[in-house]
Amino acid sequence: SYELTQPPSVSVFPGQTASITCSGDNLGNKYAFWYQQKPGQSPVLVIYQHSKRPSGIPERFSGSNSGNTATLTISGTQAMDEADYYCQTLDNSAVVFGGGTKLTVL
Amino acid sequence: QITLKESGPTLVKPTQTLTLTCTFSGFSLSTGGVGVGWIRQPPGKALEWLALIRWNDDHRYSPSLKSRLTITKDTSKKEVVLTMTNMDPVDTGTYYCAHSWYSSSLDWFDSWGQGTLVTVSS
Repeated sequence: SYELTQPPSVSVFPGQTASITCSGDNLGNKYAFWYQQKPGQSPVLVIYQHSKRPSGIPERFSGSNSGNTATLTISGTQAMDEADYYCQTLDNSAVVFGGGTKLTVL
Repeated sequence: QITLKESGPTLVKPTQTLTLTCTFSGFSLSTGGVGVGWIRQPPGKALEWLALIRWNDDHRYSPSLKSRLTITKDTSKKEVVLTMTNMDPVDTGTYYCAHSWYSSSLDWFDSWGQGTLVTVSS
C-alpha cells in the first residue's frame, strides 16, 4: 500500500521559517493536502491541491511539491502555529495520510 | 456554514459492530462534487482514513479495512452512517466525519466534525 513519510518532529524559533516535508513514491505527480491539528481539536485544512490556501488560512502557510516530496512551509512562524501537521494524498482512489509531524515553536 | 457532528456509542465490546452517524448541515449530499468521509485517530497517533461516500453514491474504503466497513447516506435526513464490524481494542480512538470535495479525481476534507471517542473494551 502507498505510504507517506513525515519527520516526527520539527522545531523552529518564532519568526523563522518552518519546513515540513512529506515523501512518497512519485508524490510530485499527485496532489498533496495539508492539515493542522492542535491538541484536543479537530484537524483543519491549511493547504489543498499542492499550494492553495482555504479561506481564513494566513498567507504565511504555503505548499510546494516536486519529485517525491511535498513541503509545507510556514513563514514567520508564530507560537499559535505549534501543532501536529498531516499530509494527505490519493492513491488508486484511496485516501492516504502521512504519519504526522509535531511542530514545536521554541 | 458547514457543520458536522458524530454520534454513536462511546463503549463497545470486542467482536461487536460499531455504528456511527454523522449528522450535517450547511450543504447537500446531492450537490455535485460533495462527499462525506470518516477518519479515525487512535490516542496519541496519526490520522487514518476509513471511508467516504460521494454525492453520486460512489463509495471508497480503506483497503486494509474494507471487509469490515460499510458507509451509507440518507440525503434527505442529512446523515451518513458508518458501520464497522468485529471491533477490537486496537480500534479504540476518536472517529471524525468530514465534508469532502471531489475534483479532478481528488478527495480532500475541508470541514471536520468534533469527533467522537470510541473505546473498545470488555
